[in-house]
Amino acid sequence: GENVEQHPSTLSVQEGDSAVIKCTYSDSASNYFPWYKQELGKGPQLIIDIRSNVGEKKDQRIAVTLNKTAKHFSLHITETQPEDSAVYFCAATDTGNQFYFGTGTSLTVIP
Amino acid sequence: DTEVTQTPKHLVMGMTNKKSLKCEQHMGHRAMYWYKQKAKKPPELMFVYSYEKLSINESVPSRFSPECPNSSLLNLHLHALQPEDSALYLCASSQGVRPDTQYFGPGTRLTVL
Repeated sequence: GENVEQHPSTLSVQEGDSAVIKCTYSDSASNYFPWYKQELGKGPQLIIDIRSNVGEKKDQRIAVTLNKTAKHFSLHITETQPEDSAVYFCAATDTGNQFYFGTGTSLTVIP
Repeated sequence: DTEVTQTPKHLVMGMTNKKSLKCEQHMGHRAMYWYKQKAKKPPELMFVYSYEKLSINESVPSRFSPECPNSSLLNLHLHALQPEDSALYLCASSQGVRPDTQYFGPGTRLTVL
């Protein structure tokens, strides 16, 4: 089955700086890669996703890049704000019904 | 509207109790999911319903019993739980069977005494 690794497990940045979280996957059949943000006491919220036919996708301060050859994808957050502080999970899937999640990154943005 | 609702928000139950968790979505999604999440861990898939039929059961103990009365509702019936079952239980839904976004509800925080 699919195995998704996520790094780093914790990340602290100064407000205004950029944050990058990286995930690798093992199954070359995986073709959909969502990123979720989970705030304390809440359910995961989709922030951006990418499919395998696209190399990069951007939505305001958030971008995701995908390297199919190397089997890794990354989340980039620019101009970080305190409200970006949360746990971020990457995931990969080929069938859609079974999401394989990374282990999570706890991001802290220091004002 | 991408809202999935879950009730109750919090639940405390004894090991001999029977309780149910409820999940509802009105996005016309045909796939619904139950996940269990422990603190500081990613969600773990428990069950998947596709077009109101159970399609995935991730070897979950029989003390957890899912039910999908219709395409908008998903229940999780709980009986004779153990303290280690205490966790955040998340419901999610997606449009269908192709790889697609799963939208999560806020979860039910379950404590088993």
